[in-house]
Amino acid sequence: DTEVTQTPKHLVMGMTNKKSLKCEQHMGHRAMYWYKQKAKKPPELMFVYSYEKLSINESVPSRFSPECPNSSLLNLHLHALQPEDSALYLCASSHVGNNYGYTFGSGTRLTVV
Amino acid sequence: GQQLNQSPQSMFIQEGEDVSMNCTSSSIFNTWLWYKQDPGEGPVLLIALYKAGELTSNGRLTAQFGITRKDSFLNISASIPSDVGIYFCAGPRVAGGTSYGKLTFGQGTILTVHP
Repeated sequence: DTEVTQTPKHLVMGMTNKKSLKCEQHMGHRAMYWYKQKAKKPPELMFVYSYEKLSINESVPSRFSPECPNSSLLNLHLHALQPEDSALYLCASSHVGNNYGYTFGSGTRLTVV
Repeated sequence: GQQLNQSPQSMFIQEGEDVSMNCTSSSIFNTWLWYKQDPGEGPVLLIALYKAGELTSNGRLTAQFGITRKDSFLNISASIPSDVGIYFCAGPRVAGGTSYGKLTFGQGTILTVHP
């Protein structure tokens, strides 16, 4: 299995809703990442998990809450988002300290209304 | 910081033409990565380069890791319509010889291929 699977593919949520994005990989990667991407822009790093522990938070607002329940799963909990948070949210994984590049999922297209 | 300057920002070419894009940085990178992103999908790794001067091919794609470790280029030969997409260069951020595990991305090259 050489894939990173993200669900849902599309999500529309109101500003008062609580929702979660899910990411799963079975490649034995122990580093997992959340990126945010606006249209025609490069991905922007949000969080890095290394061995299931949060190692990097790129000053992301607290309305985004990551969770890594085990080595294969990564969640992003969303609460009280703003319309400007609408974007493509990408999950990626890699070996820790790996310079070979990440494997990205297909992303969740999030629209906040 | 370690920023990547990617050019051109966009290209409009005819099917069958060759394409060249490049990335430069004021900082040294130990690894250069080239990704392609199709609309509505995540980036897919095309080529990874690990050694200065390395030239690597993947089908119609060829990429080189610059000798100075501060630049890389990607060439696509005989373009076809499915080459359409956004191409990103990227490299792991380096500090004191180790990677943080963060990728720095170039701004992307939007490629349009006319049949």
